[in-house]
Order: sequence, then C-alpha cells, then structure tokens
Amino acid sequence: NAGVTQTPKFRILKIGQSMTLQCTQDMNHNYMYWYRQDPGMGLKLIYYSVGAGITDKGEVPNGYNVSRSTTEDFPLRLELAAPSQTSVYFCASSSGTGDEKLFFGSGTQLSVL
Amino acid sequence: KQEVTQIPAALSVPEGENLVLNCSFTDSAIYNLQWFRQDPGKGLTSLLLIQSSQREQTSGRLNASLDKSSGRSTLYIAASQPGDSATYLCAVRRANAGKSTFGDGTTLTVKP
Repeated sequence: NAGVTQTPKFRILKIGQSMTLQCTQDMNHNYMYWYRQDPGMGLKLIYYSVGAGITDKGEVPNGYNVSRSTTEDFPLRLELAAPSQTSVYFCASSSGTGDEKLFFGSGTQLSVL
Repeated sequence: KQEVTQIPAALSVPEGENLVLNCSFTDSAIYNLQWFRQDPGKGLTSLLLIQSSQREQTSGRLNASLDKSSGRSTLYIAASQPGDSATYLCAVRRANAGKSTFGDGTTLTVKP
C-alpha cells in the first residue's frame, strides 16, 4: 500500500516554462488536495477535488490548473512558471467519510529561475 | 474564513522537559483537528487526529486536547527527547467543508 505518491521529487524550471506535478493515491480516497509550503510557513491550499470530475479553488489558485479524471490521480499544472511559484508542493488525500484523516505525499521541491 | 495560529513560532527546551504546543482557531464549527510533525526538508507525518466530538487523543508520550468553545488545541509532549526536534503543525477542518486550514507551525528544539 503506497499511499500518496508524488513525482518528481525535485525540479528546476526556467521562467515561462510549464510542467505538471503528478499525484496518485491507492487508498480509493474521494478527496484530494494540492498545497504549497513556502519557507518557514504553513501549507496554503491551491486546489482540491471531492471526486472525479469535480475540482475547486483553494486560497492561492492563480497560476495553476488541475484536473481529476480518475479517483486515483490529481495532477497539478503550472503554466508560464514564475519565480513566485518556487516552493515545496504537497499532495494529500482523505477518504471523504469517517474521520477524514489527511494523508500526505513526500513533496516536490520546485525552483523557478 | 478560518484562521489558525500557532504560538510560539519557535521553542527551545532542555531534554526531559514536558512541554505544550498551542494551536488557536477562529471558527469553532470544526469537523476535526490534526497534528503533524515535519522534519527539515521532509513531508508531513500525522501524529494525532481529534474529532470535533472528542476532548483528547493520546499516542505514547503525546497527548492532544481540543476545546472548541475557546478555539484552542494543545499538544502535550512528555519527557521530551532530542529526537522530538521538528516543526509541529496543526490543521483544522471546518464542518461542511472539504478542506483544512494549517497554522504556520512551531519549531521545537530539544537540547541534550
């Protein structure tokens, strides 16, 4: 049982480039989330999804896009990368029922230069 | 809008001390509150989760309490060890909302 898997672990982008951060979970969770964490700060919600085909904006959605075509996968797309998007990105999931415990991936360290 | 505050931002204690970390939130209509540990450059490890109907949860040397009426949770660490050094974050999930709000964390250093 792998839990929440994120790829890549590290990435360096040039300003204006685009990329997709991958996230997959094998717990059959309905809810999935993308957070970013800047140095010395807590986590800010970018986008979340309550099920396949359903997504919604969080606190800091500008510059990002998401899709949820399957229960397992929730990719995060960065278009026209900017230095302000340099951060650590975490994907998380929860069941959507019961105690709603959050499970996190190991993170992606992204630098935009 | 739910706001979550963790004070102090940093705490340094000698080994063996008992200590309390604080988490405050502005909206008492919560579903649950979860405490996490984060080591430098690493991901988040879940420590304890308290449901809104519960008052406390315990795991080993850790005890988390919840007081919804005052908008507070505390994480008590007994007999602290250098291995407890890390950043501790709390996350509050609002009722009828599919998302959690995080505090900025308390960075704990336990000196040998």
